[in-house]
Amino acid sequence: DVKVTQSSRYLVKRTGEKVFLECVQDMDHENMFWYRQDPGLGLRLIYFSYDVKMKEKGDIPEGYSVSREKKERFSLILESASTNQTSMYLCASSEQHSGGRMNTEAFFGQGTRLTVV
Amino acid sequence: SQQGEEDPQALSIQEGENATMNCSYKTSINNLQWYRQNSGRGLVHLILIRSNEREKHSGRLRVTLDTSKKSSSLLITASRAADTASYFCATDGGTGGFKTIFGAGTRLFVKA
Repeated sequence: DVKVTQSSRYLVKRTGEKVFLECVQDMDHENMFWYRQDPGLGLRLIYFSYDVKMKEKGDIPEGYSVSREKKERFSLILESASTNQTSMYLCASSEQHSGGRMNTEAFFGQGTRLTVV
Repeated sequence: SQQGEEDPQALSIQEGENATMNCSYKTSINNLQWYRQNSGRGLVHLILIRSNEREKHSGRLRVTLDTSKKSSSLLITASRAADTASYFCATDGGTGGFKTIFGAGTRLFVKA
């Protein structure tokens, strides 16, 4: 069974802390994504990666960075957590389409609900 | 920016009825996907329809795509209480790349 695992289900951090959210997939997928989900706003793309050490900004990258040192792991880093980063964070992975640059079915983790106090 | 915009935002129906959700998008796409999310959980992929397809079925799900109107619909027939969830459409946002961009979703509530 395919699996995307996020390291924490719930997390509480203090303002100003450096926060690491970890995501691991076991499907050998090339693409990995980080989204945040807020009520009424749906999922917004923060960063994505299409290869090891490669990353591209999504729609809301400010205040975040990412790391992909190994194919199966994609980390989201909040350099200095702020209260407006309180949200549900969702990691996803997908394989690259053999026909070229085309998105395919994404597999999601269960999400990390982060509260910054 | 959100590529897909679902309509309605919320839908409440009786068990056994059909549920129709719509999605509009802004740019040309390679494909369009529909996902489901149970409360507080990750998303689960339902169906993918390519830009050269007009209709696709999967069990009780029927998806249509009209590229001339830049819209898609998801029909769930004979709905069940277990179909209660949020439903999202997703596209590549016209980037021709690997990005998958979601709309705000439709919240479906099926009353038993």
